[in-house]
Amino acid sequence: SSELTQDPAVSVALGQTATITCRGDSLRSYYASWYQQKPGQAPVLVIYSRHHRPSGIPDRFSGSSSGTTASLTITGAQAEDEADYYCNSRDTSGDSPVVFGGGTKLTVL
Amino acid sequence: QVQLVQSGAEVKKPGASVRVSCKGSGYSFSDYYMHWVRQAPGQGLEWMGMINPDGGSTTYAQKFQGRVTMTRDTSTNTVYMRLNSLRSEDTAVYYCARERGSGDVWFDPWGQGTLVTVSS
Repeated sequence: SSELTQDPAVSVALGQTATITCRGDSLRSYYASWYQQKPGQAPVLVIYSRHHRPSGIPDRFSGSSSGTTASLTITGAQAEDEADYYCNSRDTSGDSPVVFGGGTKLTVL
Repeated sequence: QVQLVQSGAEVKKPGASVRVSCKGSGYSFSDYYMHWVRQAPGQGLEWMGMINPDGGSTTYAQKFQGRVTMTRDTSTNTVYMRLNSLRSEDTAVYYCARERGSGDVWFDPWGQGTLVTVSS
């Protein structure tokens, strides 16, 4: 089955730039979307369809994609950005039509 | 505003079944597929399946085939997820999430989650 692979953990100094990556064959055909999840809360959409930001999401969050890799960038990371981040995409080649990455724990130092 | 409100926490014994509900409001319920995603303690997000509220067709993850049933009630804008033959590994928070997109897919919003605990 298709998978999306994320690094388990990324750390960033306060005010610096963090990049979280997501790799998978499904990203050749479909753009990734990204979710932020804080402890005890439901995931929240932060980027959809590669680079679009929902209303209310700070513009320090941006998305990009190249080949089989999608990236979520947080420019000027804030303490409140410390969270788990998940990518997802549609997938027509595997067992399921939807696939999620394993998640990345972002620590803001 | 668009909102998904789920039913409360459940505690079940191994072998039992659980039904979780998800009520949508603030949008045209039948126009958007609804998905179910679960998250075991300390783990990532796991896609379980989806339902088209317009007609009720479903697609389930292979892992849950034969054990999960998703239904909807358009009169109350509610979708349901029933999981049978529960085992300890099914202990998780279960989320409903509204699908967006046509080619690409994303989920917004999500329900608040329902904790299902399976324990003897």
